[in-house]
Amino acid sequence: DIEMTQSPSSLSASVGDRVTITCRASQSISNHLSWYQQKRGKAPKLLIYGASTLHSGVPARFSGSGSGTDFTLTITSLQPEDFATYHCQQSYSIPLFGQGTRLEIK
Amino acid sequence: QVQLQESGPGLVKPSQTLSLTCTVSGDSIRTGNYYWNWIRQPAGKGLEWIGRIYPSGSTNYNPSLRGRVTISVDTSNNQFSLTLTSVTAADTAVYYCARSDYGGDFPFVFDYWGQGTLVTVS
Repeated sequence: DIEMTQSPSSLSASVGDRVTITCRASQSISNHLSWYQQKRGKAPKLLIYGASTLHSGVPARFSGSGSGTDFTLTITSLQPEDFATYHCQQSYSIPLFGQGTRLEIK
Repeated sequence: QVQLQESGPGLVKPSQTLSLTCTVSGDSIRTGNYYWNWIRQPAGKGLEWIGRIYPSGSTNYNPSLRGRVTISVDTSNNQFSLTLTSVTAADTAVYYCARSDYGGDFPFVFDYWGQGTLVTVS
């Protein structure tokens, strides 16, 4: 089974900061990697699919990169509404999510 | 705008059967452009894909739950349902229904989700 390791598990940042979250697959998943944002008590929202394609309506300050086993989600110029939990998910085989990264206000 | 809404009992006794329904509006399940999925999330933990159904009735399930899970579809009412048998406390979670693409390059990308419903096994 493909395992997904997301890091860090949590981080603190300030409005205006640039942050990067990493997701690593235990074997190559090509570009079959998505990122979701989840706010407390709400359903996840799709941000990026295909490792780097921005979902409709998602602000351009979000970007994704990577291929194979290593992927990153970058948020430039953090906004107050960006403080949430972020999940990566591989769709190369049976869908599997990472454990999430909680982004908190410093 | 597509909307999904989960419904069903919020409390289930151990060893009994969990049953949930997802009602879709703003899109017809019958068009065949999408798969319809169930995903769950225990409190404070990550998301787990349970399975999906195509309007034809074809299903795929997570092997970790195979044998206990059934997903069915009712195209006339634009709904699909989840049944999970022999539940234990480990099945306590928020259950989400979600849509994913059919026929594209990324069939397991979940672009629309329901708000989720908490099911407690106790």
